[in-house]
Amino acid sequence: AQTVTQSQPEMSVQEAETVTLSCTYDTSESDYYLFWYKQPPSRQMILVIRQEAYKQQNATENRFSVNFQKAAKSFSLKISDSQLGDAAMYFCASGGSNYKLTFGKGTLLTVNP
Amino acid sequence: DVKVTQSSRYLVKRTGEKVFLECVQDMDHENMFWYRQDPGLGLRLIYFSYDVKMKEKGDIPEGYSVSREKKERFSLILESASTNQTSMYLCASSPTTSRFNSEQYFGPGTRLTVT
Repeated sequence: AQTVTQSQPEMSVQEAETVTLSCTYDTSESDYYLFWYKQPPSRQMILVIRQEAYKQQNATENRFSVNFQKAAKSFSLKISDSQLGDAAMYFCASGGSNYKLTFGKGTLLTVNP
Repeated sequence: DVKVTQSSRYLVKRTGEKVFLECVQDMDHENMFWYRQDPGLGLRLIYFSYDVKMKEKGDIPEGYSVSREKKERFSLILESASTNQTSMYLCASSPTTSRFNSEQYFGPGTRLTVT
């Protein structure tokens, strides 16, 4: 079984600043993927970034990067130069060998102008 | 681009009604999923299908059933809607290109209210 924990129900950041969203997970899988999804208000859920557990190098997508600490089972998302369009609910998820994803409860990010 | 569509964005039904939520994907994905999303609870898997006519229960299947007669379409059925099924329902799909590449593509969601 897999569990994903997001300990911050809400976060806020000033425009142009950096914010880090936390996620911890637990899995019995030896090989797995980790994901961050973004759900803007009243809009579709989209993938932000993904990390293969067997890769030590942290994934980066433009202003979004992760800090993957495998031993600590931690997978945090860093958003640099925050923009108003980054305001959304962010979900951390883990996926294993059965195609299913386990999601955290989400972190609501507010970006203040 | 992968497109996952859901038949309704908003739906209001009465207690006891039979409700059908439809989901269609256009990328020939093998896997399709139904989730419900509630504040403070995140996404919870209701049912999962990995092939036509194949289905597997998720974490909260009680009160729901599914149908997958064609590869591109996955329907969620509430046999007798109840007020505690008021929620946002999300459909997703994913390919079976790589066993561990479990990235899913989501539809826009259906907000169902049962009165």
